[in-house]
Amino acid sequence: DAKTTQPNSMESNEEEPVHLPCNHSTISGTDYIHWYRQLPSQGPEYVIHGLTSNVNNRMASLAIAEDRKSSTLILHRATLRDAAVYYCIRSGGGADGLTFGKGTHLIIQP
Amino acid sequence: KAGVTQTPRYLIKTRGQQVTLSCSPISGHRSVSWYQQTPGQGLQFLFEYFSETQRNKGNFPGRFSGRQFSNSRSEMNVSTLELGDSALYLCASSLAGANVLTFGAGSRLTVL
Repeated sequence: DAKTTQPNSMESNEEEPVHLPCNHSTISGTDYIHWYRQLPSQGPEYVIHGLTSNVNNRMASLAIAEDRKSSTLILHRATLRDAAVYYCIRSGGGADGLTFGKGTHLIIQP
Repeated sequence: KAGVTQTPRYLIKTRGQQVTLSCSPISGHRSVSWYQQTPGQGLQFLFEYFSETQRNKGNFPGRFSGRQFSNSRSEMNVSTLELGDSALYLCASSLAGANVLTFGAGSRLTVL
């Protein structure tokens, strides 16, 4: 049970913004929302995480709904190197392993 | 700084054999976790170690085991290999817990 729902795939054009949605309607008050991505032939890579407020870092922005039942990962200007599988994960942290779902396969068109 | 290093990167074994995979975490990271990735099941959590103690374990049979050494390096072992154990085994390290993991490139195991 991945506990999150993401579209199987999305397509975007290079140099345009990308909004990757994630539903986590059963999230608890202490669960963080994490995003990882996995490029072909590599291990997953941490992208961003947050609890309640919107978060920004050099890779992306994370917009969290006020009721925390959904979130959106925003890539401000997609490049071909952003083509990857993006995983949205809810986690309480600590010793619990991350539960990865199927993720969203992001395709970037030149 | 150096990332998470996994060895070997590729290996081929036959059914019934056993295998040991190694993971060197980022310097200063005391938590090491292991994941199995297959096309059918995706990424699945195996276990997590912190300060040489297994803190959590996923839903895998006892053939899958691991350990962590005092320098935080970790090994996982799979005994009596089955065809279904063919997978990419990923190690991840973090300062403590599962909040921000840094993954290695993985060890790809093929069981014939």
